[in-house]
Amino acid sequence: DAMVIQNPRYQVTQFGKPVTLSCSQTLNHNVMYWYQQKSSQAPKLLFHYYDKDFNNEADTPDNFQSRRPNTSFCFLDIRSPGLGDAAMYLCATSRADSGETDTQYFGPGTRLTVL
Amino acid sequence: GQQVMQIPQYQHVQEGEDFTTYCNSSTTLSNIQWYKQRPGGHPVFLIQLVKSGEVKKQKRLTFQFGEAKKNSSLHITATQTTDVGTYFCAGPDNYGQNFVFGPGTRLSVLP
Repeated sequence: DAMVIQNPRYQVTQFGKPVTLSCSQTLNHNVMYWYQQKSSQAPKLLFHYYDKDFNNEADTPDNFQSRRPNTSFCFLDIRSPGLGDAAMYLCATSRADSGETDTQYFGPGTRLTVL
Repeated sequence: GQQVMQIPQYQHVQEGEDFTTYCNSSTTLSNIQWYKQRPGGHPVFLIQLVKSGEVKKQKRLTFQFGEAKKNSSLHITATQTTDVGTYFCAGPDNYGQNFVFGPGTRLSVLP
């Protein structure tokens, strides 16, 4: 049974056209992450939600926004995609107690193509 | 800031040969995790090491956490073509909320 689900698996958008990627989880984990992974590179953390608290990485462009309406769902919004934003976007979840996080579970990813 | 490094970047082995990847952190880690990512796939959790000097085994895979908790290694005995992929180590950042990934070691296994 899928535990971290990402939709769509493949997304094609045009330069500058907003796009939203979604992630849902059945693990009831309180932490959700969004990573960007380009070819042959390690996943790069964009931001994460610790419960309802949003935490942005210092080098994440303003072009990237996120929403977490409830525990199960998290969205990644790219307001004006550029060619350099073409990548695999990975959602991950973990359980955190008292600050320290547990194992991360990754979704299958959404591969974004920007034309 | 905290850095996690891995060597080698790439490793090509003949099927049946052993393989080792090394992970080094610039800071002491409370724990370290290893992930495997198959080509075209997403990272999959393999194991977590917590104790200084800890050694864990999963069939042909042996994981070690250094005594100083700043380095770790993954050793695969008698590689198989199913071992192909990129192996990442990851450690919690200084606040313990996020994980810092190493750049990964890409393993190719020639039949």
